[in-house]
Amino acid sequence: GNSVTQMEGPVTLSEEAFLTINCTYTATGYPSLFWYVQYPGEGLQLLLKATKADDKGSNKGFEATYRKETTSFHLEKGSVQVSDSAVYFCALTQRGAGGTSYGKLTFGQGTILTVHP
Amino acid sequence: NAGVTQTPKFRILKIGQSMTLQCTQDMNHNYMYWYRQDPGMGLKLIYYSVGAGITDKGEVPNGYNVSRSTTEDFPLRLELAAPSQTSVYFCASSDPQRRGEAFFGQGTRLTVV
Repeated sequence: GNSVTQMEGPVTLSEEAFLTINCTYTATGYPSLFWYVQYPGEGLQLLLKATKADDKGSNKGFEATYRKETTSFHLEKGSVQVSDSAVYFCALTQRGAGGTSYGKLTFGQGTILTVHP
Repeated sequence: NAGVTQTPKFRILKIGQSMTLQCTQDMNHNYMYWYRQDPGMGLKLIYYSVGAGITDKGEVPNGYNVSRSTTEDFPLRLELAAPSQTSVYFCASSDPQRRGEAFFGQGTRLTVV
């Protein structure tokens, strides 16, 4: 079956530091990959996505590249802000023939990021 | 724009009680989902629906039931609450043309004592 593994957290950084959160996956076929973010007390929001190998997703200064050869989708940001403090989830959905995945998401365990001023 | 709305936000149940978690969306999405989030475990899919009248089990369906009588609503029913169902529950919806791009509600924090 499908699975997603994220780096262990929590991650604590100072403002303007460089961020990397590692994510690797196991899936059959060619999944689409996502990063979701959960701010305190809220539901999850889509941060970025990539649908095929070598695609780079980007949003709000965050980036992640779909690496099929290493089955990875690491999240990076060059300079974090206090407002980036949240829980980050890596996820995938299968792009089955005929759309049979129905958009069901498989999530990693989440990584808590805390950014200090 | 309301998006996905869940009620209640918090609830404490006694073992053996039942309750329904409500979820409604106003984006006319055909696909809807229920996930549960346990600490350090990510989200697990409970049930999903691809349209009114069509539901199917996800990864962890035991102890839950769902129905989908309209496109907008997708309630989750707990019949006999157990401590193992203490969790945060999220409802989500998505457009079939944009699979995986889900919109989530704010969640229901349920404690079973």
